[in-house]
Amino acid sequence: EVQLVESGGGLVQPGGSLRLSCVASGFTFSSHWMSWVRQAPGKGLEWVANIKQDGSEKYYVDSVKGRFTISRDDAKNSLYLQMNSLRVEDTALYYCAREGGVRGVSWFDPWGQGTLVTVSS
Amino acid sequence: SYVLTQPPSVSVAPGKTARITCGGNNIGSKSVHWYQQKPGQAPVLVIHYDSDRPSGIPERFSGSNSGNTATLTISRVEAGDEADYYCQVWDNSSDRPAFGGGTKLTVL
Repeated sequence: EVQLVESGGGLVQPGGSLRLSCVASGFTFSSHWMSWVRQAPGKGLEWVANIKQDGSEKYYVDSVKGRFTISRDDAKNSLYLQMNSLRVEDTALYYCAREGGVRGVSWFDPWGQGTLVTVSS
Repeated sequence: SYVLTQPPSVSVAPGKTARITCGGNNIGSKSVHWYQQKPGQAPVLVIHYDSDRPSGIPERFSGSNSGNTATLTISRVEAGDEADYYCQVWDNSSDRPAFGGGTKLTVL
């Protein structure tokens, strides 16, 4: 069974840091682009970042550039999101998702169950 | 950035057909993907490449895309189809994925 399991969320003060993890199973992790997508409470989906199979390319939504860093460890079938200088507006459920299809027309399938990040003083 | 516009809500009676639209400038030239998100659950891909159904998705779910509008059609709607639905494309100008704002489907 293809599965993604996130962890690492929690309550953090503005300006703080957090590292999210996502462990993949049931497929060849090293063969896929991987993404983080977030959903603020009661809001829609927002793509955050993605990373190429070999980690050589990384892309970010403008609002997190310079603050968040996506990485992967194929030996551990794991995806990470290092989140620094957190803001209240980063509060969201963060999903890990596998990308399918060719870059430029890709979709997200499957998704993990999400890990909640709350930024508040 | 590329803007995708969805109606906030759609209501339909059980057994009828629901149509959820996703508007965008010349969206017909892009590949559109659709996700279903039930309350408290992660999104699930229900349509990719405009009209292809992943394995396990009922045939009642179909998609089309032309001009400035893509449409997700759910036939013979069931109570279990009540969920939020999101469209998604790749924004070539920013080289990033883009999501629509989501449509809440209510089964009357």
